[in-house]
Amino acid sequence: DAGVIQSPRHEVTEMGQEVTLRCKPISGHNSLFWYRQTMMRGLELLIYFNNNVPIDDSGMPEDRFSAKMPNASFSTLKIQPSEPRDSAVYFCASSSLQVYSYTFGSGTRLTVV
Amino acid sequence: AQSVTQLDSHVSVSEGTPVLLRCNYSSSYSPSLFWYVQHPNKGLQLLLKYTSAATLVKGINGFEAEFKKSETSFHLTKPSAHMSDAAEYFCVVRSGSNYKLTFGKGTLLTVNP
Repeated sequence: DAGVIQSPRHEVTEMGQEVTLRCKPISGHNSLFWYRQTMMRGLELLIYFNNNVPIDDSGMPEDRFSAKMPNASFSTLKIQPSEPRDSAVYFCASSSLQVYSYTFGSGTRLTVV
Repeated sequence: AQSVTQLDSHVSVSEGTPVLLRCNYSSSYSPSLFWYVQHPNKGLQLLLKYTSAATLVKGINGFEAEFKKSETSFHLTKPSAHMSDAAEYFCVVRSGSNYKLTFGKGTLLTVNP
């Protein structure tokens, strides 16, 4: 199993541009999470999907952020327009609740200049 | 409600000496507890997990943790530190069947030669 796959690994973009982060969860996992990690705030849950349906998006900072999961094997997190304060490492994680553990991807390091 | 307190933001040990990373939690329901490790510029890797089975949990790379309900603690230990153990360690709690993980602020482990 290749684990949770995120792309790109690094993204540098200019303020105001649209950014799309991608995630492929582990096959068979029915839960998917997007987290953001910053020095100031640590790891924060942005959104949680179960069986491709968004269950909790209360952590999404504002309307500039959106996430989709069109099928069980793919999810995107989009920021439009991006701002310098969005600079962080964004992690995707997937889980099968029966397993009681969460597998994280390697993250996307986003820098907005 | 659930929360996690990692009592030390930074721990420094010498190679070959024991490691102790401290974690206290609070949880409204029976908790699941995890330790994750993050090496520099890498993703989060699961070290070990407690899910109401044996209170002494053994993980990868010689780490173990003991769940102590009376002390609401889940400290991570290793008998002998290795240089490759230098990383940031996160204690994580999940309450009952709640999908949300709550992360501690992290403990940076430095291993000196």
